[in-house]
Amino acid sequence: DAGITQSPRHKVTETGTPVTLRCHQTENHRYMYWYRQDPGHGLRLIHYSYGVKDTDKGEVSDGYSVSRSKTEDFLLTLESATSSQTSVYFCAISDGTREGNTQYFGPGTRLTVL
Amino acid sequence: AQSVTQLGSHVSVSEGALVLLRCNYSSSVPPYLFWYVQYPNQGLQLLLKYTSAATLVKGINGFEAEFKKSETSFHLTKPSAHMSDAAEYFCAVSENSGGYQKVTFGIGTKLQVIP
Repeated sequence: DAGITQSPRHKVTETGTPVTLRCHQTENHRYMYWYRQDPGHGLRLIHYSYGVKDTDKGEVSDGYSVSRSKTEDFLLTLESATSSQTSVYFCAISDGTREGNTQYFGPGTRLTVL
Repeated sequence: AQSVTQLGSHVSVSEGALVLLRCNYSSSVPPYLFWYVQYPNQGLQLLLKYTSAATLVKGINGFEAEFKKSETSFHLTKPSAHMSDAAEYFCAVSENSGGYQKVTFGIGTKLQVIP
């Protein structure tokens, strides 16, 4: 398995509170991604990073921000959580271009916003 | 723009029967194609990938998929289903987008294996 960890694995929070999810990799891959998984929608890209301090938006970025200050860490922040952000969040990594950008996934974080 | 269509959000097969999970894609250039498997409460695990080396791709756990350009398909098969195959399966397509390989996932197919 690729060396990817996510923390926390489970979190319950209240509407309006800030939440930060962490993704940590030990593979030294350039690219890191945050997805959310919801029934009927598959995986949808929130944000991705192509290097330290280099990030870009995905298809569902509203309400989310990210930061990458080190190669190994990619943080996802919900500035003010809403119930619509209840979901399972997955981090993924890749080297970007080789073999079609094969992505490897972390174990996920289940977030519940009450 | 690339896209992936997985036909059938739920598929049920009997143990020992053929597994066939369908995936059709659209892409403006020759794509890279992937199948991932997700077991309950776990992340996605790469099952196999097509990178143009061979049209029939063999993956882990006895799965294989065949790339058919004329049909724009990349269906996943396994000759004999096992109870442990019960999981959700995602097809994905990767295409170069401004120097970056953008990956698009299908909505997934849940496979139920009936004893």
